[in-house]
This record gives sequence, structure tokens and C-alpha cells, in this order.
Amino acid sequence: AQSVSQHNHHVILSEAASLELGCNYSYGGTVNLFWYVQYPGQHLQLLLKYFSGDPLVKGIKGFEAEFIKSKFSFNLRKPSVQWSDTAEYFCAVSPASGSARQLTFGSGTQLTVLP
Amino acid sequence: SQTIHQWPATLVQPVGSPLSLECTVEGTSNPNLYWYRQAAGRGLQLLFYSVGIGQISSEVPQNLSASRPQDRQFILSSKKLLLSDSGFYLCARGGHPNTGELFFGEGSRLTVL
Repeated sequence: AQSVSQHNHHVILSEAASLELGCNYSYGGTVNLFWYVQYPGQHLQLLLKYFSGDPLVKGIKGFEAEFIKSKFSFNLRKPSVQWSDTAEYFCAVSPASGSARQLTFGSGTQLTVLP
Repeated sequence: SQTIHQWPATLVQPVGSPLSLECTVEGTSNPNLYWYRQAAGRGLQLLFYSVGIGQISSEVPQNLSASRPQDRQFILSSKKLLLSDSGFYLCARGGHPNTGELFFGEGSRLTVL
């Protein structure tokens, strides 16, 4: 079975600072990778996903993530955060041949952006 | 558009009382449906999933059960709640094709006192 680690439980940044949230997974095969975001009072929603191809994927609201296979990592980045990026962010992984039933989530990172 | 409705949004129940959380999906037929529990600092734990009417698979042994009486309805239940059942419960449907992408409802927060 796969596992996902998000090392930062709470990150606090000022507006315009750069963001990088770490995500590492363990699994012996090919994977699909996801970042989900939960804004205060809103439902959990997909931020970006990687299935195959270009390891640098771009999502909504200026977010991007890079899949580094050799490091089993899928870190989330944004060059300049805004107050509205305050949210909880979840990394998730599933086997490439699997389904949502096999999706494993990290424990989440709470991002607080100070105005 | 495809929408997932969950109700109630919040619920406070005494220990030993029954539970029923409902999830209804609009805009798609024969969806794969999921119940997750989200605990602070612990991510999302898959509780149940269903690939069709009457078809329920349980991922973890627990005090809860699930049912799917209609194609677009998924219900989470308990006969007698425990304190440890408190949490935030999320209903989700799978995307097409079934790649691991999920679409979530807004959740139901359960507090057991």
C-alpha cells in the first residue's frame, strides 16, 4: 500500500512570499498524484493533478507542482501568495492503474497568509 | 453541473443515539461514491465506497454503516454513536474515467457529546 507524507503541518507566510509545500510518497509503481485544497467554509476541491507527461503541472490560481520521480516527491509551489490562498492543502496519491478507492491522502498542511 | 449535496451540515448528538447523514449527487448517473472522515491533522480516511445500488464496501471496521438505496443517494448511518465518531464527514464521487480524482460535497460536522 502507498503512503503520503506532508512534513509541514502549519505554514505561515506574508503576502507576496513564495510558497513551497512538501509532499513525499512511498509506492513501488507508477502513480497518479493530486493536490486538493480546502478554503475556509468551502468544500475540498482539486487544485492540480499529474497522470503522466510533463512533470511540471500547472493548476488553478497560479499554483504548480513538480513530480520528481527519483525523490518520490510532488511539491506544491506558488511564486507569490495572496491572503486568499489561506486554506488547508492535501497531497494525495493513487496507483496509476488504480481507482479513487485506492487514493491515499496526506495529513494536510494548513497555510495561513498574513495580509 | 455536477453537484454533491450533504445534509445536515452540522449535527450534535448524544452518545448512544442513532445517526443518518445523507449525500445526494446530481448531474451524473452510476457514479462511484465514497464516504470519508476528516480528522484534524490526520488527513482523510476512506470509510466506505459504492460502485452501484446496494453495493457497499467497508474499508475499516467501525461503528458506522453505509447504504445506497438509489443510484445517486449514499447514506452513512450508526445505530449507537460513540464519542469517537465525532468528526467531519465528506461524501465524494469519482471522476470519469476512474483515475483517482474525486469531487467532494461540503461535508457534515458531527459532534457526539
